[in-house]
Amino acid sequence: DIQMTQSPSAMSASVGDRVTITCRASQGISNNLAWFQQKPGKVPKRLIYDAFSLQSGVPSRFSGSGSGTEFTLTISSLQPEDFATYYCLQHNSYPRTFGQGTKVEIK
Amino acid sequence: VQLVESGGGLVQPGGSLRLSCAASGLTVSSNYMSWVRQAPGKGLEWVSIIYSGGSTYYADSVKGRFTISRDNSKNTVYLQMNSLRAEDTAVYYCECNVGDYWGQGTLVTVSS
Repeated sequence: DIQMTQSPSAMSASVGDRVTITCRASQGISNNLAWFQQKPGKVPKRLIYDAFSLQSGVPSRFSGSGSGTEFTLTISSLQPEDFATYYCLQHNSYPRTFGQGTKVEIK
Repeated sequence: VQLVESGGGLVQPGGSLRLSCAASGLTVSSNYMSWVRQAPGKGLEWVSIIYSGGSTYYADSVKGRFTISRDNSKNTVYLQMNSLRAEDTAVYYCECNVGDYWGQGTLVTVSS
């Protein structure tokens, strides 16, 4: 099975900060990676698919990059509504696997 | 597009439950339909998928106990869960096409 290691597991940031979250795959997954945002008690929401494609309706401050084994989700200027937990998901092979999540909290 | 899960509830260890995911606005037989779960206070865990062609895959943790299926006439996907364990307690979400759409989730509690 492919292991997805997300870092950091939690972070504190201020409104306006640039935030970077990394996901590393235990083996190459091409660009078969998606990023999700989840707020407490809410359904996950897809932000990025195919490693760098922005989901329709998602603000352009979110971006994804990477291929192979290392991937990054970047929030260029953190907004109050962005405080949430973020997950990566590889769908290159089965079983699909999520990263353990990164909780972004207010500093 | 709307995905509506149902069938969750309280079940004893070793028991069975069948979850349903009724879709509208898309055809389940033409899309990749998956189940994802989230234990209380924990992260997301992928559970199972059924492809448009009918192929199915499972997480190691549920293989041999859970079965995913669909009824094209009802445009519904199912997750039959047998031999349930306490660690299967979670909110179960139905989603399609790598998380493009999600249901609201249904809570399964396995406890005596």
